[in-house]
Amino acid sequence: QVQLQESGPGLVKPSQTLSLTCTVSGGSISSGRYYWSWIRQPAGKGLEWIGRIYTSGSTNYNPSLKSRVTISGDTSKNQFSLKLSSVTAADTAVYYCAREVRVTAIHDYWGQGTLVTVSS
Amino acid sequence: DIQMTQSPSSLSASVGDRVTITCQASQDISNYLNWYQQNPGKAPKLLIYDASNLETGVPSRFSGSGSGTDFTFTISRLQPEDIATYYCQQHDTLPWTFGQGTKVEIK
Repeated sequence: QVQLQESGPGLVKPSQTLSLTCTVSGGSISSGRYYWSWIRQPAGKGLEWIGRIYTSGSTNYNPSLKSRVTISGDTSKNQFSLKLSSVTAADTAVYYCAREVRVTAIHDYWGQGTLVTVSS
Repeated sequence: DIQMTQSPSSLSASVGDRVTITCQASQDISNYLNWYQQNPGKAPKLLIYDASNLETGVPSRFSGSGSGTDFTFTISRLQPEDIATYYCQQHDTLPWTFGQGTKVEIK
């Protein structure tokens, strides 16, 4: 059974960099069948796709965040990470990591989500 | 970006009722439309993919239809465990985008 687990600080100061890691178990991020994605959800609001990484290291980002986002992978640890720079209160949200099936774009497995609050 | 407009934003129905949610894309997305269910405090769960295909293990009372720009999600007989927020999501063109969600409650 594939499991994803987000980890990282729950509180980040404005203008600093938000850093989260997703640890994958029960499957390999080196598999060519999947993308590994980040999606966020502000409290009481809808879902926003942040971006994804493929096994080759290639990435796709939401243009609305592209200048501030970096997604990277560590195959030795079976983890992938999100960095979001210059954060503001608008970046306060629950952040989910998820697996996207490459051919169908289905997000079939998700982490439980982690709340990141941007506040001084 | 492709805008996804869901309606209604919330609804209240009785157990056993038929519930319908619509999702409209700002441009033609063929059938590249998924539906997710999200319970409070939980991650979304895939119910329907490619507009009308039921994900394995999902009860048959859930269904989806549509193509192009107009899509429909239906719960044929609402059950208490269906109380959740439902999202449509297009996967025609990056960035993937979601509807704003429809919150389903029991009357």
